[in-house]
This record gives sequence, C-alpha cells and structure tokens, in this order.
Amino acid sequence: DTAVSQTPKYLVTQMGNDKSIKCEQNLGHDTMYWYKQDSKKFLKIMFSYNNKELIINETVPNRFSPKSPDKAHLNLHINSLELGDSAVYFCASSQDKARSYEQYFGPGTRLTVT
Amino acid sequence: QQQVKQSPQSLIVQKGGISIINCAYENTAFDYFPWYQQFPGKGPALLIAIRPDVSEKKEGRFTISFNKSAKQFSLHIMDSQPGDSATYFCAAKRQGAQKLVFGQGTRLTINP
Repeated sequence: DTAVSQTPKYLVTQMGNDKSIKCEQNLGHDTMYWYKQDSKKFLKIMFSYNNKELIINETVPNRFSPKSPDKAHLNLHINSLELGDSAVYFCASSQDKARSYEQYFGPGTRLTVT
Repeated sequence: QQQVKQSPQSLIVQKGGISIINCAYENTAFDYFPWYQQFPGKGPALLIAIRPDVSEKKEGRFTISFNKSAKQFSLHIMDSQPGDSATYFCAAKRQGAQKLVFGQGTRLTINP
C-alpha cells in the first residue's frame, strides 16, 4: 500500500502553460507539505497544511497555489510555468505538528519546462 | 539564523568502512535533528532522529552523535555496504514549529 502518492510522476510542458500535481496520503496524518528539490538536490519547503489550514507559506512566486480539499489531499497548481520551475516536487506528510520531524515523502514529480 | 550546514558534499567509502557525515547548526531553538536517506528516483525517507538532550543514538549500523556545545551532529554508518549508496540529508526542526530545515545533502558512494 502506497503511503504518500503523487501524480503524475513525470510532467513535461512548455513555458507559459498551467499544470497541477496531485498528492494523496493514506496514513491518516494531519499535516501535509510540498517541497521543491532542485538539480543540486537541495530540498526547500514551499507550503504546509495542517487539517486543511495553510500554516507554512514560504517565499514562493504566487504562480504556485496549493489547495487542500481534505486532510488526505494536497494539490499544487502552477500557473504560467517558467524554465526555472523545472525541478522535482515532493509531497510529504507527518502525523501532526509535534511529529513534524518525521515526514513521509511521496515518490516525487519530475517537472520539466521547455 | 535557521541554517544547517552539511559536509562533505560527496563521499566515497570502501565496503566495510565507516561513513561519516557532519552537520552544524546555529539556531539553539532546534528540538529535533533527523537524518533522511534518499535513493535515486525516490523520495527521502527518515533514517534516524535525535533530540539535543541525547549525545548519541544508535539504530543498527547507523549512529547519530550529537555535540550540543559545538552545535554539531554527525551520522556514522558502520560496516558500510553498497546498498547504503544514497544521498543523505541532515535536518533540524525548530521547537514549536513544523518546518524542517535541511542540509545541502551528501552523496555517499560505497565501493564494493
């Protein structure tokens, strides 16, 4: 059983397009995250939701908009894609705020913008 | 300051040897220091975590050593195996916060 799943796994698109990445966790966790991993492997938090409430909103272009329809799902919508958005995007979840050091990551979505 | 500095950037160790990865931090309000392991094409996975009131934690071949006064912590992999080849990230969590601050990552290669 997949704990944290993401779709799609690969996404190739052109500059200017709008795309979405979906994430689902079946762990019953309260908190979910989006990370961006660049070509140098650096992991950077983008957003975090706790029980559908946005609690972390890092300095990310407002072309990126997260949406949490329920606590098991966290989607990421990106408008007007740019070359610099090419990266691997990871969704993660943690049981609650207290155990946020223990995060479960999805397999990642490799976004390539041409 | 919420930085965590990790070194080395890459490390090559012979099978059976000891792999050592170091991290240093500046913010004394961190309350958890986890290590994550990431294999190519996969998401990071929690390996082991330590609190600052503990000087050492061991799980199998993996040990975290923590030096609170020096604000440093390290991961030791004993009897390193080719299957340990991966990228390792140290991280820190600030007390009361949910955000993890990650180090830059260390690409570990274990030669057979």
